[in-house]
Amino acid sequence: AQTVTQSQPEMSVQEAETVTLSCTYDTSESNYYLFWYKQPPSRQMILVIRQEAYKQQNATENRFSVNFQKAAKSFSLKISDSQLGDTAMYFCAFLLPTSGTYKYIFGTGTRLKVLA
Amino acid sequence: NAGVMQNPRHLVRRRGQEARLRCSPMKGHSHVYWYRQLPEEGLKFMVYLQKENIIDESGMPKERFSAEFPKEGPSILRIQQVVRGDSAAYFCASSNPRGEQYFGPGTRLTVT
Repeated sequence: AQTVTQSQPEMSVQEAETVTLSCTYDTSESNYYLFWYKQPPSRQMILVIRQEAYKQQNATENRFSVNFQKAAKSFSLKISDSQLGDTAMYFCAFLLPTSGTYKYIFGTGTRLKVLA
Repeated sequence: NAGVMQNPRHLVRRRGQEARLRCSPMKGHSHVYWYRQLPEEGLKFMVYLQKENIIDESGMPKERFSAEFPKEGPSILRIQQVVRGDSAAYFCASSNPRGEQYFGPGTRLTVT
């Protein structure tokens, strides 16, 4: 069974600084997808970034980038030039598209606070 | 292009009553997922449906919970005889062919 672990329950960062959120996962499969979702106080789940396991290049979306280490089963999220609006819970999620079901497996989340 | 719609946003039920949560997927999406989020926890998968079919209900409690996604109309998550432990945020998501799931705003269920 696949598992997703986020070992940092809470983090804080100064505005304009860079922060990295950690995520590790466990699977014996080789083809899967990984995602980071943001959940601000409004509780809306917002897709931040996506990575396909077969792609060696790390995904990037504006200020958000990932460090995908497939052998180490690590998928960290880097937020550059942090903004107050980045304050939120961040969830790492795993998807196994070949399983016949497309359910996400979520980590327990990291609460990020951006300080002015 | 409307996103995933859920209603109601907030629902209060007394113990023993029934709760009905509705979800309309994004236009063009035919796959719907329901997740439950307990306070201070991550989202836990409950059920995955396509039109008129339950594909995976491995995360759904065996009793009191049911889900449907009819040919016409929204997907419904139904909780019968609610108990205090059912209090949570219930999120619906729909997916595109790339597998990315887009979430609705959630329904916060409070059982008193």
